[in-house]
Amino acid sequence: RKEVEQDPGPFNVPEGATVAFNCTYSNSASQSFFWYRQDCRKEPKLLMSVYSSGNEDGRFTAQLNRASQYISLLIRDSKLSDSATYLCVVFSGGYNKLIFGAGTRLAVHP
Amino acid sequence: GAGVSQTPSNKVTEKGKYVELRCDPISGHTALYWYRQSLGQGPEFLIYFQGTGAADDSGLPNDRFFAVRPEGSVSTLKIQRTERGDSAVYLCASSLSVSTDTQYFGPGTRLTVL
Repeated sequence: RKEVEQDPGPFNVPEGATVAFNCTYSNSASQSFFWYRQDCRKEPKLLMSVYSSGNEDGRFTAQLNRASQYISLLIRDSKLSDSATYLCVVFSGGYNKLIFGAGTRLAVHP
Repeated sequence: GAGVSQTPSNKVTEKGKYVELRCDPISGHTALYWYRQSLGQGPEFLIYFQGTGAADDSGLPNDRFFAVRPEGSVSTLKIQRTERGDSAVYLCASSLSVSTDTQYFGPGTRLTVL
């Protein structure tokens, strides 16, 4: 079983739609959690950190459930420019490294 | 300021050849990481440095892979006797320190082994 698991998609949604991505992680000792965005043939870029209390950045909302070891990302009012792969990422402080999921592909169409 | 840079951006080589991939981290970042990303997968950890020393090389797939960071800044990932299965994008990232979890990625080197 992979340490970080995501639905690979693709999610094909029209502009303006709300879309949600989910992710589970297996290491209960994981300390920090992130969503990264990766455009085609580009490097991953940090989208947002994820906190137990939930956090919002504009149209993006991230949530962490430590008890269930589950992370989510909600995108409201999707834009064409949101089309990308979204990577769920866990930082294990004991190992000082990021563990990436395989990513979920989002395609927003007109 | 300048971000993480990697050279070359693309490298095509023949099976059995030796390659070197270079990473120049953000100035002042003491921690440097190498990842490998295959098609359709997320990046996978290879090795990280704190300063000049390799603090964790547990992700290196075998002894054909080696990395150095002699002066605590630029790092070179070296692959001997390349195989077709080594074809991937090799990503470098840096952070202020190993205890700082925000890592900044370079654009990657796309390695193709024919």
